[in-house]
Amino acid sequence: GAVVSQHPSRVICKSGTSVKIECRSLDFQATTMFWYRQFPKKSLMLMATSNEGSKATYEQGVEKDKFLINHASLTLSTLTVTSAHPEDSSFYICSAPNQDFGNEKLFFGSGTQLSVL
Amino acid sequence: TQLLEQSPQFLSIQEGENLTVYCNSSSVFSSLQWYRQEPGEGPVLLVTVVTGGEVKKLKRLTFQFGDARKDSSLHITAAQPGDTGLYLCAGSYNTDKLIFGTGTRLQVFP
Repeated sequence: GAVVSQHPSRVICKSGTSVKIECRSLDFQATTMFWYRQFPKKSLMLMATSNEGSKATYEQGVEKDKFLINHASLTLSTLTVTSAHPEDSSFYICSAPNQDFGNEKLFFGSGTQLSVL
Repeated sequence: TQLLEQSPQFLSIQEGENLTVYCNSSSVFSSLQWYRQEPGEGPVLLVTVVTGGEVKKLKRLTFQFGDARKDSSLHITAAQPGDTGLYLCAGSYNTDKLIFGTGTRLQVFP
């Protein structure tokens, strides 16, 4: 099956710093990728849709300036948490669709646990 | 706002028991998926259902899509400790974007 690689898997940073998370489709191209946020013991909340070569589409309530998304190539999307604060601590997960797999075509990264001190 | 409500939210049972998890929405979905997630990992796809009334079986797991494609259920027979995890339903509307349900946390004790 297709593989989506997410890096880093875990990051600890000081309040006020920015953190970049990468999401790569390893053996397929993805014009669209999705970024989710998950609080402890809760479900995944869609944050934004990353679009290759154009602006990301953010879900209601998600701050565009806080969560910068860049999708500069067909295999890479990045999420940058700017000026991180403790309330940004969360598990972030990306996913990418591979059209070769029919209805079961959405592949997930392994997630990034962000802890802001 | 969560469009997909799952029940129960938590479930703690003994090995060998049966259980059913429900996923309900007021919206019609073109397809619905069920995932299982372990702590610190991404969700793993269990099944996709696309046709109203469809029933799919995966070993001890039985999935059903409602006739109106607004709800779904997951039934586990003879639960085992290895079934422990967070179960998530997720729906889509003819796009690749998935909206996840509120989640059901299952704990199976030996």
